[in-house]
Amino acid sequence: GAGVSQSPSNKVTEKGKDVELRCDPISGHTALYWYRQSLGQGLEFLIYFQGNSAPDKSGLPSDRFSAERTGGSVSTLTIQRTQQEDSAVYLCASSLGDRDQETQYFGPGTRLLVL
Amino acid sequence: DAKTTQPTSMDCAEGRAANLPCNHSTISGNEYVYWYRQIHSQGPQYIIHGLKNNETNEMASLIITEDRKSSTLILPHATLRDTAVYYCIVRVWPGGSQGNLIFGKGTKLSVKP
Repeated sequence: GAGVSQSPSNKVTEKGKDVELRCDPISGHTALYWYRQSLGQGLEFLIYFQGNSAPDKSGLPSDRFSAERTGGSVSTLTIQRTQQEDSAVYLCASSLGDRDQETQYFGPGTRLLVL
Repeated sequence: DAKTTQPTSMDCAEGRAANLPCNHSTISGNEYVYWYRQIHSQGPQYIIHGLKNNETNEMASLIITEDRKSSTLILPHATLRDTAVYYCIVRVWPGGSQGNLIFGKGTKLSVKP
């Protein structure tokens, strides 16, 4: 499809396990964003990529969270030693670039449940 | 913190225009107003954005006051499928880490038959 895709759509894991969430941005989009949305809450910004580099990682909630992007395309968000408070919907968005008026388009999200 | 203020909820009759207000009194001259919506269990969907002129697309119209301190999103003929949370966002410029969207609580619009 032409939109942002994310996988898996749902993930249930046990506390302490590591999880990897994947984002496939729209083809040609150089900017990629990760957000998370806890139940009943607004979206919280996590990290931004321009190409393969992440200029600002300060939005990541702890050092258990990391993200990478290879080939300027697919991105993976990894959560190590998951905790119950990590349960949320993790959303990925992409845009053409890093300029004003660059609209971000969101994927459907990955629903993570940590038991 | 979000730089916008929106009513928590609104109702609209099906087929009528839905007018969703947003206050952004501290907006800077180079900041755009974006509107997204989020239908239950889906990712946010882009609707429209503008700087100072009114904008219209196939989904909605955006009316921005002359002083840019407030705006209104207009859905001309609301349908049941327009029931969603609508977010008004002032996008910080320049981009990069400041280009992320800061979502507030939004307005929950309920379209009723």
